[in-house]
Amino acid sequence: DQQVKQNSPSLSVQEGRISILNCDYTNSMFDYFLWYKKYPAEGPTFLISISSIKDKNEDGRFTVFLNKSAKHLSLHIVPSQPGDSAVYFCAASGSGTYKYIFGTGTRLKVLA
Amino acid sequence: NAGVTQTPKFQVLKTGQSMTLQCAQDMNHNSMYWYRQDPGMGLRLIYYSASEGTTDKGEVPNGYNVSRLNKREFSLRLESAAPSQTSVYFCASISSSYNEQFFGPGTRLTVL
Repeated sequence: DQQVKQNSPSLSVQEGRISILNCDYTNSMFDYFLWYKKYPAEGPTFLISISSIKDKNEDGRFTVFLNKSAKHLSLHIVPSQPGDSAVYFCAASGSGTYKYIFGTGTRLKVLA
Repeated sequence: NAGVTQTPKFQVLKTGQSMTLQCAQDMNHNSMYWYRQDPGMGLRLIYYSASEGTTDKGEVPNGYNVSRLNKREFSLRLESAAPSQTSVYFCASISSSYNEQFFGPGTRLTVL
């Protein structure tokens, strides 16, 4: 049973436009959510996170939105750049569990 | 400050052979993790260690054992490798601020 789902395996966006990556979760006990970026042959690197007490968190070109009632979060990248081309994973954790569950990833391609 | 290091980078095993994947972090993190990444499956948690002296099963622990040797080191052992264990293995650690996981570069394992 996939508790964290990324239903779009891939996404292509023109440079300068907005990229929106989506993530859904099923476990209502999750209260902390993270996005990671992964380039080929490298480990994932942390991008941005959000706690369930917030509905939005912004860091430069990256904004994460959380809709708890829909159990849905999204990552917005504005403006998109060719260097953003990578696989993006969302992850979720429950309070005090130290356990992170990852989605299957979305491959973003930003076209120059 | 090397972050999270993993050895080896690549390994080929025959079915039934055993091996240990090594992971070390120099960031004084309490919690450490082992994940495997397979195409279309994202990152799946194998085992984690919330603190020195403790280990817990993740989503896919069967066929693996772990040892939290000390605060710095967390090893993953395959006692009798199977082709289904062909994967890329990532080790990660997390800061006490419970914010982000730092990942190693990965070990690409092929079991023939």
